[in-house]
Amino acid sequence: GAVVSQHPSRVICKSGTSVKIECRSLDFQATTMFWYRQFPKQSLMLMATSNEGSKATYEQGVEKDKFLINHASLTLSTLTVTSAHPEDSSFYICSASRQSYGYTFGSGTRLTVV
Amino acid sequence: KNEVEQSPQNLTAQEGEFITINCSYSVGISALHWLQQHPGGGIVSLFMLSSGKKKHGRLIATINIQEKHSSLHITASHPRDSAVYICAVIGNQFYFGTGTSLTVIP
Repeated sequence: GAVVSQHPSRVICKSGTSVKIECRSLDFQATTMFWYRQFPKQSLMLMATSNEGSKATYEQGVEKDKFLINHASLTLSTLTVTSAHPEDSSFYICSASRQSYGYTFGSGTRLTVV
Repeated sequence: KNEVEQSPQNLTAQEGEFITINCSYSVGISALHWLQQHPGGGIVSLFMLSSGKKKHGRLIATINIQEKHSSLHITASHPRDSAVYICAVIGNQFYFGTGTSLTVIP
């Protein structure tokens, strides 16, 4: 079946530093990748949608200069949280889709900014 | 008002019970997903529906497009089914329910 690998699973960083999260589709080419954020005891919030080779489309209220998304290939998308602050601490998760096959989710990254 | 409403929010069941989780939505959609999120956070897509009914093992998902309602059923529930179940719809954007936290007691 379709597998999406997300790395790292946990990261702790200092305030002001940047953190990169990778999302890879291991056995299929993903036409579209999605990035979500989840606060404790809340549901997922879609942050942005990215298609390979084009700029990501950000949801309203998501700062594109803070959450940089790069979708360099059909199997890799990265989310970089720039100049991280404690309020950016959250659970970030990606999903990848290919036409007619639905969505496969990564295992998520728990980011803690101290 | 949330575009996607799930009920119940929390559910505790004895092992072996039949479980139903409901999802109602208020927007036009092209598809509805049922997702399962385990305590560690990882999410598994259980079903993608645009009409009718789908079955996978002990899980059954139904959708009524006219009534804008979907149900997820778990037959012969097991403690390993304990998780948060999330209903998500795709209209002109993604909409997510707030999830149903299920605990199955041995």
